[in-house]
Amino acid sequence: KAGVTQTPRYLIKTRGQQVTLSCSPISGHRSVSWYQQTPGQGLQFLFEYFSETQRNKGNFPGRFSGRQFSNSRSEMNVSTLELGDSALYLCASSTTRDRAHEQYFGPGTRLTVT
Amino acid sequence: GESVGLHLPTLSVQEGDNSIINCAYSNSASDYFIWYKQESGKGPQFIIDIRSNMDKRQGQRVTVLLNKTVKHLSLQIAATQPGDSAVYFCAETRDDYKLSFGAGTTVTVRA
Repeated sequence: KAGVTQTPRYLIKTRGQQVTLSCSPISGHRSVSWYQQTPGQGLQFLFEYFSETQRNKGNFPGRFSGRQFSNSRSEMNVSTLELGDSALYLCASSTTRDRAHEQYFGPGTRLTVT
Repeated sequence: GESVGLHLPTLSVQEGDNSIINCAYSNSASDYFIWYKQESGKGPQFIIDIRSNMDKRQGQRVTVLLNKTVKHLSLQIAATQPGDSAVYFCAETRDDYKLSFGAGTTVTVRA
């Protein structure tokens, strides 16, 4: 079974621009979560989607948004990019609720804001 | 802020020795405590979990210990191998798909 895939793997953007990152979960996984990883703050939860609905959200500004499609694929968008948004953005998928903590991560998208 | 944290940012271990990675947590309401491993250029990989009502759980070459009295979690890796070199994160969750991660311990295996 193919793992979680994320595109693009690397991205360079300028301050003020917006960016859209894509994630395809493992086949059959309906929950998709997004995390931001930085050297200073570590791994931080952004949001989680299930059946096209956002069920949980972390403490990030409204510039960070996401959505999930009917095939469980997910996108996250960051508008008005700031230098501090430079990070590795990780997507993870999981199956049943009783194994919600067993998440399968993709390789991430490395975003650099200049 | 974060609800879990690690005692040491780095750990150097001789190949073949046992490794112990420690983590302190503050959220007593967590349902599960989990260990993830992240190799360079990859996303975190699930290693093992322990439910909050357990004290010990064993996997293949790994053992997780949970001490709720002092809010301490540890991961023991037996016979450490070069492939065990990675960053190890402890995490906790209250069964709502949101993982709260600690800062990570970088394990380096010496040949």
